[in-house]
Amino acid sequence: DIQMTQSPSSVSASVGDRVTITCRASQGINNWLAWYQQKPGRAPRLLIYAASGLQSGVPSRFSGSGSGTDFTLTINSLQPEDFATYYCQQGNNFPFTFGPGTKVDMK
Amino acid sequence: EVQVLESGGGLVQPGGSLRLSCAASGFTFSSYDMNWVRQAPGKGLEWVSGISGSGGKTYYADSVKGRFTISRDNSRNTLYLQMNSLRAEDTAGYYCAKGKMLVVGMDFWGQGTTVTVSS
Repeated sequence: DIQMTQSPSSVSASVGDRVTITCRASQGINNWLAWYQQKPGRAPRLLIYAASGLQSGVPSRFSGSGSGTDFTLTINSLQPEDFATYYCQQGNNFPFTFGPGTKVDMK
Repeated sequence: EVQVLESGGGLVQPGGSLRLSCAASGFTFSSYDMNWVRQAPGKGLEWVSGISGSGGKTYYADSVKGRFTISRDNSRNTLYLQMNSLRAEDTAGYYCAKGKMLVVGMDFWGQGTTVTVSS
């Protein structure tokens, strides 16, 4: 199975900050990577598909990049509604696997 | 409007069985892969199982292989997860999620249904 890691596990940030989260796959997954946002008690929300595709309705301050084994989610100008946990997920091989999550909280 | 709505969760004893359902609407159900994803209390997301649009291909996490069975009824726009030989570690919120076509990503999720395995 492909293992996904994320760093950092948590980050404290302020409104207006740029936040960068990295995700690494244990083997190459081309661009078969998605990013999700989850708030407490809520279902996950797809932000980025195919490593860099912005899901419909997602603000443009969210962006994704990377290919192969290393990927990045960037949030430009963090907004109050962005405090949440973020997960990456590979879809290159079954079983699909998620990263352990990165919690973005308020500094 | 795309909607997916899970049901069927509850309290079950270890070794017992439960069947989850996911009713879908607002899209051509048979054209899309569907997935079950779970989240244990206070933990991260775990993909459980997936099924192709036709139902001809099914996939499972190692943790549930041989115990869970995913299926779908495209005439009823409904996804199922039959869970047998349940264990305490299967306790989680279970989400139904629609896959995007041809690319990675699950773009619509239900609100989840809770499964508790306890004596």
